[in-house]
Amino acid sequence: EAGVAQSPRYKIIEKRQSVAFWCNPISGHATLYWYQQILGQGPKLLIQFQNNGVVDDSQLPKDRFSAERLKGVDSTLKIQPAKLEDSAVYLCASRILQGGSEQFFGPGTRLTVL
Amino acid sequence: SQQGEEDPQALSIQEGENATMNCSYKTSINNLQWYRQNSGRGLVHLILIRSNEREKHSGRLRVTLDTSKKSSSLLITASRAADTASYFCATQGGSEKLVFGKGTKLTVNP
Repeated sequence: EAGVAQSPRYKIIEKRQSVAFWCNPISGHATLYWYQQILGQGPKLLIQFQNNGVVDDSQLPKDRFSAERLKGVDSTLKIQPAKLEDSAVYLCASRILQGGSEQFFGPGTRLTVL
Repeated sequence: SQQGEEDPQALSIQEGENATMNCSYKTSINNLQWYRQNSGRGLVHLILIRSNEREKHSGRLRVTLDTSKKSSSLLITASRAADTASYFCATQGGSEKLVFGKGTKLTVNP
């Protein structure tokens, strides 16, 4: 079974630029999550989708971050404009709707904002 | 905000020794999960323990949960160099949201 795919793996941008991350969850997983992991900390949930609807975006900085999950499969997370404090690893995870609480994580995208 | 707090922040042991990591949390939970993160394999789910369970085993892993003290421990027995990683506890309450702690960085020296 293929895992959660993310791209790009690394991205370096200047502050005030825009950036987008892509995630392809495990086939059949209805729930998709985006996390931000700052160096030395645990992942922090940014947004949760169930199919193509948003379940929880309470910790998403909506003035600069946006995310969508068209057709309930792939998802993109965008930052516009980026700030220095957005430097982090952005993790995508997915979970099957029924039958388990385990989340499966992708390899992440390491963002550096200069 | 982060719910779980792992202790210690860093742990260094020799191969073959046991490693114990602790996690404390603040609010009531439905379950508590432990994840491992290393550069090679990313963040991987290890074990889940439900709020009505006190102990669970999986291979060389043993997890305990004390809901009265709002704490959990992860024991890795007979550690190997490949166990070198950061270990995170994550709590799940009434919503599906997982809240992670800051992690314990484990180094197993050959």
